[in-house]
Amino acid sequence: AQSVTQLDSQVPVFEEAPVELRCNYSSSVSVYLFWYVQYPNQGLQLLLKYLSGSTLVKGINGFEAEFNKSQTSFHLRKPSVHISDTAEYFCAVSDPSSYKLIFGSGTRLLVRP
Amino acid sequence: DTAVSQTPKYLVTQMGNDKSIKCEQNLGHDTMYWYKQDSKKFLKIMFSYNNKELIINETVPNRFSPKSPDKAHLNLHINSLELGDSAVYFCASSQDAQGYEQYFGPGTRLTVT
Repeated sequence: AQSVTQLDSQVPVFEEAPVELRCNYSSSVSVYLFWYVQYPNQGLQLLLKYLSGSTLVKGINGFEAEFNKSQTSFHLRKPSVHISDTAEYFCAVSDPSSYKLIFGSGTRLLVRP
Repeated sequence: DTAVSQTPKYLVTQMGNDKSIKCEQNLGHDTMYWYKQDSKKFLKIMFSYNNKELIINETVPNRFSPKSPDKAHLNLHINSLELGDSAVYFCASSQDAQGYEQYFGPGTRLTVT
């Protein structure tokens, strides 16, 4: 069965600094990987996804993630964050046998001025 | 023009009551989902319908019963509410059952007292 681990529950960072949110997954089969963002009191929104092809995936709002099969990781990065990026970020893996999305526990990104 | 909408946004009720949450999507998607997000932000799939057919039915109490009158609607009825049912419930939809890109509603915050 697939599982997702987000190692950091909260990541504080100053505005305009770079940030990396870590995600590791476990799976015995090929997976599809996703990052979703949840702004306060809102539903989740897809940031980016990896299905196949280039391991560097670009998403909305200047975010990107790199799929690393050997390290079973899919870390999310942004070179320069804004106050408006403050939100909860969820990594997720798709279970191709059951069509379920398995979510990590989330990382709260807190951007300070 | 909201893509996935849920009503109500907030629901406060007493233990033992029966309540329903409604969800509608205007994206023309075939598949809809119910998720539960607990107080620690952990997000877990509960049910999924594809073209009105139940395809995912996680281990949830029988008190929870989803109903899909048509492809655009998925409702969640909860009988004999318990304190532990307090959570945010999210509806989502995707183009097909593979669910690689899911669109989430704003959530319904259920508080059971």
